[in-house]
Order: sequence, then structure tokens, then C-alpha cells
Amino acid sequence: EAGVTQSPRYAVLQEGQAVSFWCDPISGHDTLYWYQQPRDQGPQLLVYFRDEAVIDNSQLPSDRFSAVRPKGTNSTLKIQSAKQGDTATYLCASSYRGNNQAPLFGEGTRLSVL
Amino acid sequence: GEQVEQLPSILRVQEGSSASINCTYENSASNYFPWYKQEPGENPKLIIDIRSNMERKQTQGLIVLLDKKAKRFSLHITDTQPGDSAMYFCAKKGRALIFGTGTTVSVSP
Repeated sequence: EAGVTQSPRYAVLQEGQAVSFWCDPISGHDTLYWYQQPRDQGPQLLVYFRDEAVIDNSQLPSDRFSAVRPKGTNSTLKIQSAKQGDTATYLCASSYRGNNQAPLFGEGTRLSVL
Repeated sequence: GEQVEQLPSILRVQEGSSASINCTYENSASNYFPWYKQEPGENPKLIIDIRSNMERKQTQGLIVLLDKKAKRFSLHITDTQPGDSAMYFCAKKGRALIFGTGTTVSVSP
């Protein structure tokens, strides 16, 4: 069974540039999470979806970040105008609500904003 | 938002000894408590978990304890090996999965 797939693996930007991250969850997983993990810190939840609906985006900086999951499968996280403080690894995870098990993570996208 | 406090942030132990990590949480609606191990440059990987209807679980040198009254749970690594050196995260799941702040475990030969 394929795991959670993320792309790109790495991104390097200048401040002010835009970037999009893509996530393909495990087939059949209805719940999808996006986390931001700064270096040497724990993953911090940005947003999560159940199917195509946003369940919680309270920690998503709404002025520059956006996330969609239009068909309840793949998801895209976009940073409109990147700042140096956005430098982090962006992790996508997915799970199935029905078995209440731990979400499984993709390899992440490492973002550096110069 | 919800928080999970994790201590210590750094833990250095000798090979063969045990290592313990403690986490406390606020929201008693949480019903599932996984632990993740993360090695440099890799994603977090689930190593053990415990559900709210249990107090203790053990697997392959790992023990997790859950005290729901005190809103506290802990991971104990017995007989540590250099390969156990990594970052460890506790997490709790109610509506969403919330992570602790992490513990860097370093096992020296």
C-alpha cells in the first residue's frame, strides 16, 4: 500500500515569493492534516480536513496561507507571500476516522525562505 | 489552542539504562495517545500508542503509562541502545492530533 506522498521534497524561496505544497494521502483515508515543523520543534497543526471540509484552520495564518482539498482526496497548501519565519518542514498526514488510529506522515517538504 | 507539555526537552542516558519522557495535557476529551520517533531528516514514525481505556501498554522495550485522572502519560524506553537516539514526540488525539514539544534522546555507548 502506498504511503502519504508529498511534493516537492525541498523548496528554496526569497521572501515575498509564493509556493504550493501538494499531498496525496493514503487511499481511503478521509482525514488529512497539514503540520508545520520548525527545526528542533514539534509539529504544529495548521489545518485539517475531513473529506473536502475544513474542520479546523484556526492555526493557519489566513492572510498568507491557504489550504484546499476539493475532492476529498489530494490537498494543496499554499503560502502566498513567504517570510523567513515560514522556514520549516511542512508535513502532511492522513488517517481514517473509523479506526481512530494514529495518522501516518508523508516525508514532508523542507522550505527555506531566504 | 490545545497544548501538550513534554519534559524533559533533552535526555542523555548511558546504553543499557532506561529513559523516561513525561507528557501532560489539558483537554480531558482526548481518547488516544500515540508516541512518535523522529530521526534527523525523516518524518515522525509511530512507535507505540495507548487508548483511554488502558493504563499500561508494553511492546519491544517500550512501555507507555496513562493516568487519565492526572491527565498525564509517559513513555519508558528500557535497555536503551544507540539506535534509540532520536527526537521523541508524545501526542494526543481528541478532534485533532496535537503534539508535545519533543524530547531529544541521546544514548551514549
